[in-house]
Amino acid sequence: AQRVTQPEKLLSVFKGAPVELKCNYSYSGSPELFWYVQYSRQRLQLLLRHISRESIKGFTADLNKGETSFHLKKPFAQEEDSAMYYCALSGTGGNKLVFGAGTILRVKS
Amino acid sequence: DTAVSQTPKYLVTQMGNDKSIKCEQNLGHDTMYWYKQDSKKFLKIMFSYNNKELIINETVPNRFSPKSPDKAHLNLHINSLELGDSAVYFCASSHGTAGDYGYTFGSGTRLTVV
Repeated sequence: AQRVTQPEKLLSVFKGAPVELKCNYSYSGSPELFWYVQYSRQRLQLLLRHISRESIKGFTADLNKGETSFHLKKPFAQEEDSAMYYCALSGTGGNKLVFGAGTILRVKS
Repeated sequence: DTAVSQTPKYLVTQMGNDKSIKCEQNLGHDTMYWYKQDSKKFLKIMFSYNNKELIINETVPNRFSPKSPDKAHLNLHINSLELGDSAVYFCASSHGTAGDYGYTFGSGTRLTVV
């Protein structure tokens, strides 16, 4: 079974502080992992996927298979980063994404 | 020029009514999905269609019936609406399998049952 755990419901940081949104997964095969962002009352947007190893809006995420984690990081938070962040998993060749419960990021000025 | 569009954006209706939500994508994707986002913001898959064929049907009451007239459209019909059906319903599409490139989501339909 595929499972995604985001242990923090809410993460509150000050502007300019580093951010780390935690994501752990459970999957016996080789996972495909994603981060999605949802700004207030808007659609979910793909932020990044592990296979592309890119940096979007200053965010990065590294897949750690030993710790089964895919934490999202940003060195300096900005107020416009305030949003709901979802980690999602698909199995290899899988036909669906399984989402974590989401973490609300609040960046305070 | 919206990639995945849903209508209506808001839907307020009384218990017991029947309603439909429509979804269309112009990305040429093969697979479309319906997700339910509940009041706690948890996202759960309901259905998935690949080239008009149902491939995922999670544990959803049979009051919910998806229909895909072609691969660019996936509609959701709900019979005998209940208070617990109140949620935001998101349509999404993907090219190939979900794990290849992820999803493109619609803007959601906020359903309120009173």
